[in-house]
Amino acid sequence: AQSVAQPEDQVNVAEGNPLTVKCTYSVSGNPYLFWYVQYPNRGLQFLLKYITGDNLVKGSYGFEAEFNKSQTSFHLKKPSALVSDSALYFCAVRDDTDKLIFGTGTRLQVFP
Amino acid sequence: EAQVTQNPRYLITVTGKKLTVTCSQNMNHEYMSWYRQDPGLGLRQIYYSMNVEVTDKGDVPEGYKVSRKEKRNFPLILESPSPNQTSLYFCASSLSLNQPQHFGDGTRLSIL
Repeated sequence: AQSVAQPEDQVNVAEGNPLTVKCTYSVSGNPYLFWYVQYPNRGLQFLLKYITGDNLVKGSYGFEAEFNKSQTSFHLKKPSALVSDSALYFCAVRDDTDKLIFGTGTRLQVFP
Repeated sequence: EAQVTQNPRYLITVTGKKLTVTCSQNMNHEYMSWYRQDPGLGLRQIYYSMNVEVTDKGDVPEGYKVSRKEKRNFPLILESPSPNQTSLYFCASSLSLNQPQHFGDGTRLSIL
């Protein structure tokens, strides 16, 4: 069965420092991976996805993610964090079925 | 403007009183889905639909019904709501499951 794990409930980082939000997955076939962001009182917004191709995927707002097949990971990264990046981040995965599974979310707090 | 519209945004009701949460999208998307978001559990899929008249159970379908009579609409029905269905609900749509999902702004349900 497919699953996705976000091991950190919260990540704290100072503004201007690089940030990483971790995600690991388990699928029976080829993975389709996504990152979404949720701001207060809003629905989720798409950031980036990996289907095939380059392991480094670039997305919205300066975010990128690195697909690592051997470690079954898809960590979200940004070289320089902004206070406005503070939000709830979700990793999601699907395999060859029709279901999309979301992680439990990681709250990113960027301090001035 | 491309959007997914959910109504109502907030609802407080009592156990056993049937309710319907509407969801409509204006992007001609094939795929639609309902999720519930609970603290510490992330988003869990309730039902999804690959196209008109095609619906399937997600991970937590008990106590819910859906229908897809038209491409743009995907209502969520709680025939006999119970307190454990108190949650934040999101509708989402996409061209296909490999494409980014567009989320509504959510419906906060409180069942007393």
